[in-house]
Amino acid sequence: GNSVTQMEGPVTLSEEAFLTINCTYTATGYPSLFWYVQYPGEGLQLLLKATKADDKGSNKGFEATYRKETTSFHLEKGSVQVSDSAVYFCALRPMEYGNKLVFGAGTILRVKS
Amino acid sequence: GAGVSQSPSNKVTEKGKDVELRCDPISGHTALYWYRQSLGQGLEFLIYFQGNSAPDKSGLPSDRFSAERTGGSVSTLTIQRTQQEDSAVYLCASSAGGSGANVLTFGAGSRLTVL
Repeated sequence: GNSVTQMEGPVTLSEEAFLTINCTYTATGYPSLFWYVQYPGEGLQLLLKATKADDKGSNKGFEATYRKETTSFHLEKGSVQVSDSAVYFCALRPMEYGNKLVFGAGTILRVKS
Repeated sequence: GAGVSQSPSNKVTEKGKDVELRCDPISGHTALYWYRQSLGQGLEFLIYFQGNSAPDKSGLPSDRFSAERTGGSVSTLTIQRTQQEDSAVYLCASSAGGSGANVLTFGAGSRLTVL
């Protein structure tokens, strides 16, 4: 079946530190991959996406590269800010038409000033 | 509307009561999803509507849960005889279609507390 595994949190970093949140997936074929972010008190919103192998999604200084060979989509940011504190969800959308998004468990990120 | 609207934003109910949660998707979006987010857990898929097709109900946890989507727009999630384990944030999302790259837009959620 389709599944997503994320590193457990919470992840606590100091401002300007380098961030990596690991995400690996299990799926047949070539799913689309997403990172969603949920800021405190808000709904989930799309952070970035990639639809085929070797694509790099990027937004707000965050990046993730679709690695088919390692079935991974790790999220990275070179220098985090306090405002990046949120819950980050990795997700996949199977290639079959009409299938729903499958989410990981989410990773809490806390950035200290 | 400009975004996905959910109501109520907060609902406190007593065990055994029925509750209805409403979702108003983005106008023109044909796909609508319900997810559940429990404390300390990820997002659990509940049900998916796509156009006029039969809904995918594979995620509904029990027969106490049901959902409908009227006129291809507004959706209502109903939980009958609520239990304490039903306490969670219920999230609705919509998208323009069912293809792989379509992005889901989420509502702010309805927080349900069952006492």
